[in-house]
Amino acid sequence: TQLLEQSPQFLSIQEGENLTVYCNSSSVFSSLQWYRQEPGEGPVLLVTVVTGGEVKKLKRLTFQFGDARKDSSLHITAAQPGDTGLYLCAGKRDDKIIFGKGTRLHILP
Amino acid sequence: KAGVTQTPRYLIKTRGQQVTLSCSPISGHRSVSWYQQTPGQGLQFLFEYFSETQRNKGNFPGRFSGRQFSNSRSEMNVSTLELGDSALYLCASSLNPTAQNTEAFFGQGTRLTVV
Repeated sequence: TQLLEQSPQFLSIQEGENLTVYCNSSSVFSSLQWYRQEPGEGPVLLVTVVTGGEVKKLKRLTFQFGDARKDSSLHITAAQPGDTGLYLCAGKRDDKIIFGKGTRLHILP
Repeated sequence: KAGVTQTPRYLIKTRGQQVTLSCSPISGHRSVSWYQQTPGQGLQFLFEYFSETQRNKGNFPGRFSGRQFSNSRSEMNVSTLELGDSALYLCASSLNPTAQNTEAFFGQGTRLTVV
């Protein structure tokens, strides 16, 4: 059983559209992170959310941590081809970082 | 400053052989974690080393082992390779692994193919 479920697994949309991807769990995490991984590279941290209900913005990306600290969402406004990649959420629990399987996002020009 | 360096980048081995992968963390980072990434299972935690001691371990068989040296460089070893061990092996270093907002910096990974 995957501790962190990410949905959708794959998403292909046109440039300029908005999208939201989700990271859900039945467990509580002390913090949750989002990473982006491009082909041939390791994941790169985008944001860390710590407080339940917290919202963080990074240019066109908006991250939200659920009130109960069990889930998170990533919303991208006006997607661009440069947003293409594998988006991974990761939760910190008992000093371990646990990753979801990721959402593979493809933005069509 | 230099990032996390993993060597080699690519490796092809045959079943039954053993392999050693190397990871040099960012200077000053004492925590090194190893992950296995496959299309089916995603990123799975192997183990974490901090100051030469294994702090955490994932659910992998004993064929997977690791160690960390006094300069924080780490190696992982896989013995008696199986076809299913083919994967991207990623190493991540961090400064303070117990902090809530600790950031893991990943290397580019070693792509291991077992034939």
